[in-house]
Amino acid sequence: GAGVSQTPSNKVTEKGKYVELRCDPISGHTALYWYRQSLGQGPEFLIYFQGTGAADDSGLPNDRFFAVRPEGSVSTLKIQRTERGDSAVYLCASSLRGSGSNANTGELFFGEGSRLTVL
Amino acid sequence: GIQVEQSPPDLILQEGANSTLRCNFSDSVNNLQWFHQNPWGQLINLFYIPSGTKQNGRLSATTVATERYSLLYISSSQTTDSGVYFCAVRTRTTDSWGKLQFGAGTQVVVTP
Repeated sequence: GAGVSQTPSNKVTEKGKYVELRCDPISGHTALYWYRQSLGQGPEFLIYFQGTGAADDSGLPNDRFFAVRPEGSVSTLKIQRTERGDSAVYLCASSLRGSGSNANTGELFFGEGSRLTVL
Repeated sequence: GIQVEQSPPDLILQEGANSTLRCNFSDSVNNLQWFHQNPWGQLINLFYIPSGTKQNGRLSATTVATERYSLLYISSSQTTDSGVYFCAVRTRTTDSWGKLQFGAGTQVVVTP
């Protein structure tokens, strides 16, 4: 597609429920990133995929958070047993490549985010 | 990990004024991006500028990689420039090429 697409744009759920957030990256981009942004703060890194594999998942806060990218394109962020502290905007980004020295291949482009509210 | 500090944290401008936002970082970088987050939360790419100077309309940016800072210049500001400006960097490390570290942002308000 023309840009990074995220669904849903808004999700309200109850504490303890399971949530899935979807990201469709820019066509041809091999690298995909998930970030989380709380009110008044900058985006915080969660996980980065190069192709189908998670190259760096060091930002996932705990084992309730999991992400997959089975075919190297669309990714799903999964949150189990949601807690009120999980409320935030979840941002997805993609880049042509995740590494390399070619100009602009590492430039990230962000989607509009999925706003998660846990009641 | 790398530290990214942005200043000032807040900026109020009269329409038509010029301003400079600064981003300091604590390590060598292979990627530096400036973003504008609009009131709807969308992160808009302004510049991909790991080094050198670029200009785009009323905005320009300069990164001095050897001294570990970048500057974003806004000239003849307009009310549509309001929002949060983020600097984000990626370090030259082999363990994580992908991770982009964000600063805390500069909140800009342009008044008519």
